[in-house]
Amino acid sequence: DAKTTQPPSMDCAEGRAANLPCNHSTISGNEYVYWYRQIHSQGPQYIIHGLKNNETNEMASLIITEDRKSSTLILPHATLRDTAVYYCIVIIQGAQKLVFGQGTRLTINP
Amino acid sequence: GAVVSQHPSWVICKSGTSVKIECRSLDFQATTMFWYRQFPKQSLMLMATSNEGSKATYEQGVEKDKFLINHASLTLSTLTVTSAHPEDSSFYICSALRTGANTEAFFGQGTRLTVV
Repeated sequence: DAKTTQPPSMDCAEGRAANLPCNHSTISGNEYVYWYRQIHSQGPQYIIHGLKNNETNEMASLIITEDRKSSTLILPHATLRDTAVYYCIVIIQGAQKLVFGQGTRLTINP
Repeated sequence: GAVVSQHPSWVICKSGTSVKIECRSLDFQATTMFWYRQFPKQSLMLMATSNEGSKATYEQGVEKDKFLINHASLTLSTLTVTSAHPEDSSFYICSALRTGANTEAFFGQGTRLTVV
């Protein structure tokens, strides 16, 4: 599976958009980009995933560059409850392994 | 969304005893489940991949005789920490893979194990 690189930490003001970048320069054509987040002492929570088109759901938007070497998770109106560690993962559909990188610790400030 | 239930959410045990952690997919069948270990302020570390009806695949450095994994049905995988020691104290998390048009991984709530 391709590896991902994320900044270790980010801060964002409450009510503003939080943009979390992820580099996956070695991604292959059949690998999807998944985003999860983990709030302290809980299991990771699925946020969104995509292949090459931008995606949006009730939680967030996912912007994938045309060359697919990077992506950005956007939380449009961050709240204090969005403070968590966000993980970007690339996996093949039907993959038998799910490996996490170090993630980005996002802190939403009042 | 799909639910994965992990039990217990926390457990304290004495050194030398064994502890079993259960992971259940409640509304879908999971041929594949993953077990992770997480230390404070660190990422999830994959321990093993559990496949229903076959032996688990362990990651390098994980002792298979220490961490026994059983995936007896399509909705249940168990992790048994045998002869637990204080250094086994950690947060253990399971994940179940739901395959289909879109493959998604759903995670349990985690189990905090403290060995005293």
